[in-house]
Amino acid sequence: QSALTQPPSASGSPGQSVTISCTGTTSDVGGYYYVSWYQQHPGKAPKLMIYEVNKRPSGVPDRFSGSRSGDTASLTVSGLQTEDEADYYCSSYAGTNNPHAVFGGGTKLTVL
Amino acid sequence: QITLKETGPTLVKPTQTLTLTCTFSGFSLSTTGAGVGWIRQPPGKALEWLGLIYWDDNKQYSPSLKSRLTITKDTSKNQVVLTMTNMDPVDTATYYCAHRRLYTSGQSFDYWGQGILVTVSS
Repeated sequence: QSALTQPPSASGSPGQSVTISCTGTTSDVGGYYYVSWYQQHPGKAPKLMIYEVNKRPSGVPDRFSGSRSGDTASLTVSGLQTEDEADYYCSSYAGTNNPHAVFGGGTKLTVL
Repeated sequence: QITLKETGPTLVKPTQTLTLTCTFSGFSLSTTGAGVGWIRQPPGKALEWLGLIYWDDNKQYSPSLKSRLTITKDTSKNQVVLTMTNMDPVDTATYYCAHRRLYTSGQSFDYWGQGILVTVSS
């Protein structure tokens, strides 16, 4: 069982928007501004899409955005494209006394 | 251009110790803020954070695996080594190493290696 809870699946049609949630606790998502999101296509290494809740690395389309409310972080993909179909994982820093990080269980995004 | 590559055995027996090496280029682990982490992914399952090492030799480990893990660095060789003891079939996974720039992209990993599939079987 993963430390952060994500829905196993999400879907949307091309051009639509979809939001993926990531629920943790005050010890991780709710306690630090260090939530990241990764995209992973089959057989490939993960790719950083969002860091520090809502920042995009250079080269990531602005269709991808992140937010947080309390212990739940969210990734929104707007204007869905077929190439957005992939697994998405959230991650959060956790624990000052015992620093480490945790991942979510992953969400399979299907573009219908 | 930052690149990382994992090398090591692809098959280990139960109870053996796994040693993986991450060889990187495009950055130095002596640069303030630089870090290299290890993440694994069992076939068909989610990512699992294992640990990381920073430029100042500060190390962090997953609490559930801390007793089995050791991460070290050789700055002169641009390498980071992960050691995991007492391997079990449930440790079968693709193991990734990844780069972190603490003061630029926070606690995230912005570059990843291609991964190496390690199978634990007798």
